[in-house]
Amino acid sequence: DTEVTQTPKHLVMGMTNKKSLKCEQHMGHRAMYWYKQKAKKPPELMFVYSYEKLSINESVPSRFSPECPNSSLLNLHLHALQPEDSALYLCASSQLGTGSYNEQFFGPGTRLTVL
Amino acid sequence: AQKITQTQPGMFVQEKEAVTLDCTYDTSDPSYGLFWYKQPSSGEMIFLIYQGSYDQQNATEGRYSLNFQKARKSANLVISASQLGDSAMYFCAMREVNTNAGKSTFGDGTTLTVKP
Repeated sequence: DTEVTQTPKHLVMGMTNKKSLKCEQHMGHRAMYWYKQKAKKPPELMFVYSYEKLSINESVPSRFSPECPNSSLLNLHLHALQPEDSALYLCASSQLGTGSYNEQFFGPGTRLTVL
Repeated sequence: AQKITQTQPGMFVQEKEAVTLDCTYDTSDPSYGLFWYKQPSSGEMIFLIYQGSYDQQNATEGRYSLNFQKARKSANLVISASQLGDSAMYFCAMREVNTNAGKSTFGDGTTLTVKP
């Protein structure tokens, strides 16, 4: 299984809502990532988990809260978002270890619209 | 700091012709990997090909090949026999080797349109 899945595909939420994005992989990868991507722009890294521990937080506002309950799952909890947070949210995973290029495999993304 | 530059915001190619998408990079790390991803309008980032900094031969994957010129710090993607389904945005990216789940640096992307 060489697939990263994300749910939901689309999400529309108000600024007072609480919602969660989910990501799952069964490739045995021990690194998982959240990216935010605006239209026609490259992905921007938000968070990295290594062995289920948060290893990188790119100064993301606290209204985004990541969670890695186990080695296959990654969540992104959303609360009190702003309209400018509307974007495509991509999850990715990769192997860990030295001597490897550790290419990332991406999921199909969740298109988030904040009203 | 790592930097990736893609100087072609948009490219057009006739169906069945070959096209080259440019990518130059800058890094002080001697060990790195260079990647190309395709992103159709559906949004998914599809991994296409990678080249390691110590690889002696240029990488190839089906219709994709990577023209790696280390001294010039360039890693251009060549797509042979273009198909309509190749129309998409293409990103060049770099990762350090031996990184512990470190960052990928992405270029700004090139939008490729294949004309029938």
